[in-house]
Amino acid sequence: ILNVEQSPQSLHVQEGDSTNFTCSFPSSNFYALHWYRWETAKSPEALFVMTLNGDEKKKGRISATLNTKEGYSYLYIKGSQPEDSATYLCAFSNTNAGKSTFGDGTTLTVKP
Amino acid sequence: GAVVSQHPSRVICKSGTSVKIECRSLDFQATTMFWYRQFPKQSLMLMATSNEGSKATYEQGVEKDKFLINHASLTLSTLTVTSAHPEDSSFYICSARRQTGIESYEQYFGPGTRLTVT
Repeated sequence: ILNVEQSPQSLHVQEGDSTNFTCSFPSSNFYALHWYRWETAKSPEALFVMTLNGDEKKKGRISATLNTKEGYSYLYIKGSQPEDSATYLCAFSNTNAGKSTFGDGTTLTVKP
Repeated sequence: GAVVSQHPSRVICKSGTSVKIECRSLDFQATTMFWYRQFPKQSLMLMATSNEGSKATYEQGVEKDKFLINHASLTLSTLTVTSAHPEDSSFYICSARRQTGIESYEQYFGPGTRLTVT
């Protein structure tokens, strides 16, 4: 059983604040780390696929870093907006078969 | 991005009946689809990997006779919950794997199905 942990479980910030959260995963047999954003009543949306140690990806105000040697990834949101409110999931893969183990998610609430 | 649909979005059924949930990739072909289940306040738990034209691969602890999976075409996978019981009430969500390169892929999720068994 692969252990993928996300922290914190939930986060409440004010509009304009920058925030970050963590995904921890096994440091051996790494293949890929995915970040998803899941808004209520919608499908989870892929944010990033990260495959190389030291990877940094950016999409607008959201960015992510990856450390495969120590088994963690950070997701950063700069200048949070209410529309950023969602649950952010990370998913770890140790093979290219497509199977992923998901963390429990970090639920972000951005107050206007 | 690619679109995956799931039908129905909500279903209420009586104990002992069977329910079929469809997962379709609308604008790409998916040889591999995945079925997940989400328990309250928990993450997505992989139930099975659905492969087009072959038998599904079930995760440990998932009853294959209870959760029948059929992947008859490159755009459709179905999950049938047979003889449903209240403990099968859950949120079921599918995803379709889209190959983007020789060694790379992306996964697109459907919107999920809320099953309630009374």
